[in-house]
Amino acid sequence: SYELTQPLSVSVALGQTARITCGGNNIGSKNVHWYQQKPGQAPVLVIYRDSNRPSGIPERFSGSNSGNTATLTIGGAQAGDEADYYCQVWDSARVFGTGTKVTVL
Amino acid sequence: QLQLQESGPGLVKPSETLSLTCTVSGGSISSSSYYWEWIRQPPGKGLEWIGNIYYSGSTYYNPSLRSRVTISGDTSKNQFSLKLNAVTAADTAVYYCGRVSGSGWPIDYWGQGTLVTVSS
Repeated sequence: SYELTQPLSVSVALGQTARITCGGNNIGSKNVHWYQQKPGQAPVLVIYRDSNRPSGIPERFSGSNSGNTATLTIGGAQAGDEADYYCQVWDSARVFGTGTKVTVL
Repeated sequence: QLQLQESGPGLVKPSETLSLTCTVSGGSISSSSYYWEWIRQPPGKGLEWIGNIYYSGSTYYNPSLRSRVTISGDTSKNQFSLKLNAVTAADTAVYYCGRVSGSGWPIDYWGQGTLVTVSS
């Protein structure tokens, strides 16, 4: 089965840029989506189809996907961006990444 | 605005069947544009996709759970349901329902989730 690997945690200073990677075999050929999940809440879609932002998601969230790695970038990180982030693709089933905890220092 | 709400028992005994319902408001599960999904998250762990149902009634399940899962829909009540047989403690999780526009698309609407504990 297809696997998506994310770093367990990423720390970023307030106002700086955080990059969260999502590794998978030839992931560049797939559509990657990213979800943000805060404690006790349901996930929220922040990027879909590699690099598209849903309505209401700040411009500081962006995404890219190439080769074996997709990346979610949070530019100018805010305290409110502290959360778990999950990447997701479809490969004969909906597959989620292992999740990354983002801490804003 | 589309809303999804999970409901069902919060406690299930081992070996029994877990049954949950997702009630959809602000949209119709009969729409040919969407799939309706179940996802779960064990406490402190990541997300796991369970399966989905299309307006036609066709279903698609996670291969790892396929032998124990049934997803069905009730268009008269605008609800879809999850049944998971022969549960164990490993099935303890927050269960979410959600909406998707197609296999290559994301889950764009989520329910708030409901915790189901498997314990005697």
